[in-house]
Amino acid sequence: GIQVEQSPPDLILQEGANSTLRCNFSDSVNNLQWFHQNPWGQLINLFYIPSGTKQNGRLSATTVATERYSLLYISSSQTTDSGVYFCAVVEYGNKLVFGAGTILRVKS
Amino acid sequence: ETGVTQTPRHLVMGMTNKKSLKCEQHLGHNAMYWYKQSAKKPLELMFVYNFKEQTENNSVPSRFSPECPNSSHLFLHLHTLQPEDSALYLCASSQVRGSAYEQYFGPGTRLTVT
Repeated sequence: GIQVEQSPPDLILQEGANSTLRCNFSDSVNNLQWFHQNPWGQLINLFYIPSGTKQNGRLSATTVATERYSLLYISSSQTTDSGVYFCAVVEYGNKLVFGAGTILRVKS
Repeated sequence: ETGVTQTPRHLVMGMTNKKSLKCEQHLGHNAMYWYKQSAKKPLELMFVYNFKEQTENNSVPSRFSPECPNSSHLFLHLHTLQPEDSALYLCASSQVRGSAYEQYFGPGTRLTVT
């Protein structure tokens, strides 16, 4: 099956800093989603981005499907950005495969 | 609020108990999913229901029994669980159209098996 690798596994930022999270996947995908999991376990949809670039406030994402990677950019980070960021892909049908996540801590 | 609700939010049960987790989606979707998130492991897909029919069972032990009575409701019936089944159980839903399957998740049920 498809493999999804996220990097870095852990990231500590000072408030106001920018960061880039990466997601590599081993095969062609029909769907790619980025999620933020808050401390209470809720998965919040950030982007549905099988290809191209999208922006939502301080967050943006780019997926280069032909090169099998996606990037999530966080600018001017805030303490509320802390949590775990997951990339998940669909190889076929509607079976979503998750990466291991990036744990982000933003310090004030 | 994502439009997907789960109850209960927390559950503690003994290994001989029988309990059920409930999920309801208010998004008009036609596919629903159960995922398991254990400590230090990636989220794992357990079951998929498309149009109320189970289309995926990801080698889940029979002590987990799903039920999808309609496209808005999904249950996970639990019996004779093991301590290693303690985890966060997440429900999700999506619309199935073409190849687009953006999934939306509920808040999860944190299960502890004693």
